[in-house]
Amino acid sequence: GAGVSQSPRYKVAKRGQDVALRCDPISGHVSLFWYQQALGQGPEFLTYFQNEAQLDKSGLPSDRFFAERPEGSVSTLKIQRTQQEDSAVYLCASSPHRGGDNEQFFGPGTRLTVL
Amino acid sequence: SQQGEEDPQALSIQEGENATMNCSYKTSINNLQWYRQNSGRGLVHLILIRSNEREKHSGRLRVTLDTSKKSSSLLITASRAADTASYFCATDKAAGNKLTFGGGTRVLVKP
Repeated sequence: GAGVSQSPRYKVAKRGQDVALRCDPISGHVSLFWYQQALGQGPEFLTYFQNEAQLDKSGLPSDRFFAERPEGSVSTLKIQRTQQEDSAVYLCASSPHRGGDNEQFFGPGTRLTVL
Repeated sequence: SQQGEEDPQALSIQEGENATMNCSYKTSINNLQWYRQNSGRGLVHLILIRSNEREKHSGRLRVTLDTSKKSSSLLITASRAADTASYFCATDKAAGNKLTFGGGTRVLVKP
């Protein structure tokens, strides 16, 4: 497909479980972003990759959150020992640019529910 | 934390009417963008306006930017039922940088 894809689309986890969320960016896009969107709120930045380098992880809420993009393409966001407050939609976006105009192309998101 | 506020939080209009929503932000920006999000879906980019631009048009969309007031507005003319969605403004401080979103305006266009 031509767009950003994310899997799974829905994930239900028991409190304390580890989860892994996958993002397939648009082929050739240099930049990849992860955002967290709570119900009724705007997305909030989590972390940013340029190719395989994680250049900004200032938005990760705790050390239970970990993201990687080892080959500069697919990225995985991992949440360890999930808590109820982790319930949200996790959005991935990619952008072709290193700089310049920063239009980001978003995936459909993964809705995580922690019971 | 969110960069700024969007006003109104919710808007209900009849098909054919215009919809206007506003966004305020707190810090200096590189550019400002507007995105649309349909229920349960990802965000779709609508329009980008650079910090040195004051107005931009794209189809039925008109965006203004006032950097002295740190505010922007999005006007959707001749609205359609398909325009029903949440609209978010987003800013970045530097090219290629992370986006900081507002809280969104939920627009309902009644047929």
